[in-house]
Amino acid sequence: AQSVAQPEDQVNVAEGNPLTVKCTYSVSGNPYLFWYVQYPNRGLQFLLKYITGDNLVKGSYGFEAEFNKSQTSFHLKKPSALVSDSALYFCAVRPFNQGGKLIFGQGTELSVKP
Amino acid sequence: GAVVSQHPSRVICKSGTSVKIECRSLDFQATTMFWYRQFPKKSLMLMATSNEGSKATYEQGVEKDKFLINHASLTLSTLTVTSAHPEDSSFYICSARDRHINYGYTFGSGTRLTVV
Repeated sequence: AQSVAQPEDQVNVAEGNPLTVKCTYSVSGNPYLFWYVQYPNRGLQFLLKYITGDNLVKGSYGFEAEFNKSQTSFHLKKPSALVSDSALYFCAVRPFNQGGKLIFGQGTELSVKP
Repeated sequence: GAVVSQHPSRVICKSGTSVKIECRSLDFQATTMFWYRQFPKKSLMLMATSNEGSKATYEQGVEKDKFLINHASLTLSTLTVTSAHPEDSSFYICSARDRHINYGYTFGSGTRLTVV
């Protein structure tokens, strides 16, 4: 079965420190991977995606993610966290040949304290 | 960038009534729309996939007669919750796939449905 896992329900970081939000996936074929952020009572905002090419993907708001095929991971990172980064983060995978739908991880709540 | 406008943002309705949620793609043609349901601080559950001009494809366990989806044009998809019950209270989000954006998905801002 194709799936995405975010092993941490919550990540707490001090402002200015680096942050990592973890994601692992299980898909057949080459994965298309995405990160989205959600603020309370809002839709999802796109951060970045990996389709092919360079394993290090840079996205919006200073976020980046590294595709690691051997570890089947796509962790989201930022060198210096901001309080405004506090939100719910979702990793998603687009399975091959399933009409383009996305499968989401369970979400990780990021809390950045001053 | 691509924008999907979702309305209403919040709705409260009485049990037994029907509620319609609209999603419009404002600056692109949405050949495919996805409808999700989200419980508090939980992941998004795909309810159905709709393609313009054809019947929606529902995920297993989703009642197609209860959650009516119409995608009559390339810029509008609607979700109607029929005979709503309190357990239908949730956050509903649409997403559009635009073939002209490389593997891009744009999400609506969501609709908070409360059934009383």
